[in-house]
Amino acid sequence: EAGVTQFPSHSVIEKGQTVTLRCDPISGHDNLYWYRRVMGKEIKFLLHFVKESKQDESGMPNNRFLAERTGGTYSTLKVQPAELEDSGVYFCASSQQLRGVGTEAFFGQGTRLTVV
Amino acid sequence: DQQVKQNSPSLSVQEGRISILNCDYTNSMFDYFLWYKKYPAEGPTFLISISSIKDKNEDGRFTVFLNKSAKHLSLHIVPSQPGDSAVYFCATPQGGSEKLVFGKGTKLTVNP
Repeated sequence: EAGVTQFPSHSVIEKGQTVTLRCDPISGHDNLYWYRRVMGKEIKFLLHFVKESKQDESGMPNNRFLAERTGGTYSTLKVQPAELEDSGVYFCASSQQLRGVGTEAFFGQGTRLTVV
Repeated sequence: DQQVKQNSPSLSVQEGRISILNCDYTNSMFDYFLWYKKYPAEGPTFLISISSIKDKNEDGRFTVFLNKSAKHLSLHIVPSQPGDSAVYFCATPQGGSEKLVFGKGTKLTVNP
């Protein structure tokens, strides 16, 4: 069974440009999460989809970030326009069940975004 | 203000010895904790979890202990192996939501 896959693995863009990150969750997982780790800091939650609906987007930094999950399958995270402080590693994770039954989230390998 | 704290950025142990990674949390309402392991250029991988109704959970070489009164948990790896060298994150779901709150991680190095 394929794990969570993210594309691209690395992206270097100039300040002001647009970047779109993609995440393909594990097949059948309704829950999809985006997280971000800025260098040296903790991994921070960005948002949570349940199927195609945004369940919680309280961690999105500002309106330059737009996440979509059309059809409840893969998800995209667009940053437009990118700023220097957006640099970091963006992780996607998916899970099949809610935590109440003790299920953990499976993470992708991450997309390392560098804004110069 | 961090809700989950891993105060040791790094830990170095000898192969075969015990590794103890610590994690403190601030909110006594947190009731489920997870440890993730992360290798360079990879995403975090779930390792072991514990519910607040327990004070210990064991899975092979990995044991997590929870001290609710101290709001402290620890991950013990016995015996440590060079392949255990990675960054270990402590995490907990925040409130009733599904979002995980992570510590900053502890980089474990197991020397042969």
